[in-house]
Formats: sequence, structure tokens, C-alpha cells
Amino acid sequence: KAGVTQTPRYLIKTRGQQVTLSCSPISGHRSVSWYQQTPGQGLQFLFEYFSETQRNKGNFPGRFSGRQFSNSRSEMNVSTLELGDSALYLCASSLGLPEQFFGPGTRLTVL
Amino acid sequence: SQKIEQNSEALNIQEGKTATLTCNYTNYSPAYLQWYRQDPGRGPVFLLLIRENEKEKRKERLKVTFDTTLKQSLFHITASQPADSATYLCALAGDSGAGSYQLTFGKGTKLSVIP
Repeated sequence: KAGVTQTPRYLIKTRGQQVTLSCSPISGHRSVSWYQQTPGQGLQFLFEYFSETQRNKGNFPGRFSGRQFSNSRSEMNVSTLELGDSALYLCASSLGLPEQFFGPGTRLTVL
Repeated sequence: SQKIEQNSEALNIQEGKTATLTCNYTNYSPAYLQWYRQDPGRGPVFLLLIRENEKEKRKERLKVTFDTTLKQSLFHITASQPADSATYLCALAGDSGAGSYQLTFGKGTKLSVIP
């Protein structure tokens, strides 16, 4: 079974731009979560989607948003990028169990 | 607020020895505690999960203990090998109901196994 895939793997943007990241979960997994990982803060939960509905949301500003499609694929969007948004963005899928399966991440650099 | 601490940022041990990593938490009563492994440039990989009513879990050379009174978990790798070198992350999960789990991660311990 194929693992979680994320595209693109690397992105370079400038301040003020917006960005959309994509995640395809493991086949059959309907829950998709997004995390931000930085050296200073570690892994922080952004939000979780299940059946196209956001079920949980972390403590991030409204510039961070997401959505999930009927095939469970998910996207996250960050608008008005700031330098501090530079991070590894990780997507994880699960079968509705606590164990989560992570993708390789998208490395976002904001200049 | 919830706080998770992994006591060592880095841990060096000799090949063949047992590595012991510590995870402490405060202001939280997790239903589950998990350990993940992360290699540079890759996403975390799930290793083990232990429930709040379990004391110990084993999988091959890995062992996890969970003490809800001390609010602490210990993660052991026996007969460590250089291939075990990675960052190990502790994660707590509460049960929000209906199969929804939000993970809170520690910052990780970077383990180096020296040949």
C-alpha cells in the first residue's frame, strides 16, 4: 500500500504571497491532520479533517486554512506569508485510530 | 497549559548498550502515549503506542513504560545499533471522541549510537 504523499516537496516563496500544499493519504484513511515543524517549536498541530469536515484546530492564526475533498485528499493554504512561516509542513493520515502515518513533508522557505 | 518535556536534546550511547529516553508531561491526562522516530528530512514514523491503563509495551528491541502517577514515559532500545540513530519523539493524544485524536509532541531526543 502506498504511503502518504505530499506535494510539492520544496517551495520558496516571498513574504506576502500565499501557498497551497497538497496531501494524499493512505488509501482507506479518511482522517488527515496537518502539522508544522520548526527547530524552535517542534511539531505543532494545525488541524484535522475527516469526511471533508474540520474536526479539530490548533492554535494558529486564520491565515492557515485547509480543506478535504471527497476522495480524502487534503490541501492546506497559508495566505500573506511571513518569514516565521518557514517550516516543514507535515501531513498525517489515520484510520480513526491514535496512530498516525506521516508523509515526507513540504519544506517551505519564505524569503 | 499542556507541557511535554523530553529530558535530553541529545543522547550518545555505545553500540550494544540500552538507550533510555524520557518523556515527562504536565497539565494533561492523555488517553494514549506514542513514540515516533524521525530521520533527517523525513516525516515521523510510528513506533509504539501505550494506553493510560497499560504499564508496559514491548515490540522487538523496543520497550515503553507509562506511569500516569509520575506523568512519565520511558522508551528503551535494547542492544542498540548505529541504525537506531535518529530523533525520537514522544506524543500524547487525548480522545476527542468519534475517532478524533490530536497529537501533542515533545521536541524530541536525538539519539546517536556510536560503533
